[in-house]
Order: sequence, then C-alpha cells, then structure tokens
Amino acid sequence: KAGVTQTPRYLIKTRGQQVTLSCSPISGHRSVSWYQQTPGQGLQFLFEYFSETQRNKGNFPGRFSGRQFSNSRSEMNVSTLELGDSALYLCASSLAAGPQGNYGYTFGSGTRLTVV
Amino acid sequence: AQKITQTQPGMFVQEKEAVTLDCTYDTSDPSYGLFWYKQPSSGEMIFLIYQGSYDQQNATEGRYSLNFQKARKSANLVISASQLGDSAMYFCAMRGTSGYSTLTFGKGTMLLVSP
Repeated sequence: KAGVTQTPRYLIKTRGQQVTLSCSPISGHRSVSWYQQTPGQGLQFLFEYFSETQRNKGNFPGRFSGRQFSNSRSEMNVSTLELGDSALYLCASSLAAGPQGNYGYTFGSGTRLTVV
Repeated sequence: AQKITQTQPGMFVQEKEAVTLDCTYDTSDPSYGLFWYKQPSSGEMIFLIYQGSYDQQNATEGRYSLNFQKARKSANLVISASQLGDSAMYFCAMRGTSGYSTLTFGKGTMLLVSP
C-alpha cells in the first residue's frame, strides 16, 4: 500500500516568487491536511480538505492557499514568497475528517522549501 | 482551544533502557484523541501510538506504551528497551472531535539513545 507522496522533496525559491507543492494521499483517504514546520514555531496547521472542500484553515495569511482534486490529491500554493516561509511542509492524509472519530493521520516525508 | 505541552527539550538514554517522554494537554472538548509521532532526521512523521479519551486501558504498541492519566491531563510515552534507531524527535499531538478539528502538536522532545 503506497504511502503519502509529496513532491518535490526539496525546493529553493527566491523572495517574491510563488511555489506549488503537491500531495497524493493514501488510496481511499479523502482528508488531506497541510502543516508547516519551522524551528521557531514548531508544527502549525495550515488547512484541511475533505472531498474537495476546505473544512478548516489555520492562522496564515492569504498568500497561502490550497485545493483538493476529485482524486483527493491536494496542492498548496504560496505566493509572494518571504524568507520566513522557509520551512518543512508536511501533508497528512486520513480516512475521515470532522467529528466522526479519532482517525489518525499518515504523513508524507515533506517538502523542504528554502526561500533565498 | 487545545494546547499540548512537552517540557523536555531533550532526553538521553542508554541502549536497552526504558525512557518516558512527558506530555500534558489542555482542551475543552469532551472527547479527544492523543497521538505520539516520531520524526527522524529524514523529516517524515511516523505514527507510534493512539489513545482515545474514553479508552479504559492504556494503549500499547510493541515497545511503546502510553501512560494516560486523564485527571492529570497527561499522556506520557514510555519506550521500553531503547534502541539506537529510536534517536529522533518525538511529538505529542491531540485531535478533538468537536467540529472539524485538526492535530495540535507540542514542541517535541529530542531523544538520543547512546550505545
């Protein structure tokens, strides 16, 4: 059973550019969440999608956006990159989202973004 | 709001010894789940163990066990017979079940296992 696949693994971008990260969840998983991990702030929730709908959004500026496709694959986009956006971006998939139960998440290996 | 506190930035343990990683939490949700994840230097978050707030027994998964004390709001991870491969960051996380909740993580504990 394939795990959660994130591409690319590494990215180097220049300030002001935009970037798109991709996440393919485990087959059958309809919920995809994104987290940003930095040494200073730790792991912070970005957004969660379920069946192509954004169900929850963290406290990030509008430069951070995402979407989910009908096959459950998800992308997140960061526009007008800032140095502080350098981080490990982790995607996690789950069988369900919301109050149905305490389903665990399976994480991908992450995309390490460096903004110079 | 949910909050996870991990007070140990780093822990050292010798191979084959047991180690306890501390986690306390705060939530207003009546029902919630507690998770522990391991993150090696490669970056991937590896699920270790889960404890539901209404579970009567402490969770166990192989060498991992969760010491769940609901009244104290603590969910400590116990690793028995540590191995060199256990060296990694360990995160405690919580998910509530009210509304569309997400995982809230602690700051993590770096565990180093020495020969």
